[in-house]
Amino acid sequence: GAGVSQTPSNKVTEKGKYVELRCDPISGHTALYWYRQSLGQGPEFLIYFQGTGAADDSGLPNDRFFAVRPEGSVSTLKIQRTERGDSAVYLCASSRTINDNEQFFGPGTRLTVL
Amino acid sequence: QQQVKQSPQSLIVQKGGISIINCAYENTAFDYFPWYQQFPGKGPALLIAIRPDVSEKKEGRFTISFNKSAKQFSLHIMDSQPGDSATYFCAARGSNYKLTFGKGTLLTVNP
Repeated sequence: GAGVSQTPSNKVTEKGKYVELRCDPISGHTALYWYRQSLGQGPEFLIYFQGTGAADDSGLPNDRFFAVRPEGSVSTLKIQRTERGDSAVYLCASSRTINDNEQFFGPGTRLTVL
Repeated sequence: QQQVKQSPQSLIVQKGGISIINCAYENTAFDYFPWYQQFPGKGPALLIAIRPDVSEKKEGRFTISFNKSAKQFSLHIMDSQPGDSATYFCAARGSNYKLTFGKGTLLTVNP
């Protein structure tokens, strides 16, 4: 079956602009996670959803970052007033339920803020 | 505060050799320890995982060794192949469901 998909694969924007990154989880997976991976580093947790609700958003760096999952499937990570330090690969993962340990990752969206 | 420390940062091994990557954690509430493999331009993929009630787990050429008292775990890749060349991440997960990753090890297996 299809894995986790993320669009766009690459996004180049200018400092101060608004961006949206999309994640389409594996069909039927109720838990969805967002991570950010800076160059040469491991992924860092941002937020996760169980169904439609954000169960833990403690990893969001500041209030410029926001994520939604209105119908419990596709999720959008939104970044306002982008800064150069936001440049990274944004990874999405899903798991069948929140209690399932295995998280399946998408290929990521590489965000570059000029 | 880095909760999962991984070493070495990079590793070069000859084909057929053994690759060993080590991780140490601080949070005793962690109860699931996976290893992920990542190729350039791809997302991490689960390789093998272990729970702290087991000291060793083997799947094919990949083995995790786990030392609960030392709060350390390691990945051993036997008979390393050029196709194993990738970045490897250890991680840990507790009751809060989020994964905490190490910084990664870039493995190069020379033919």
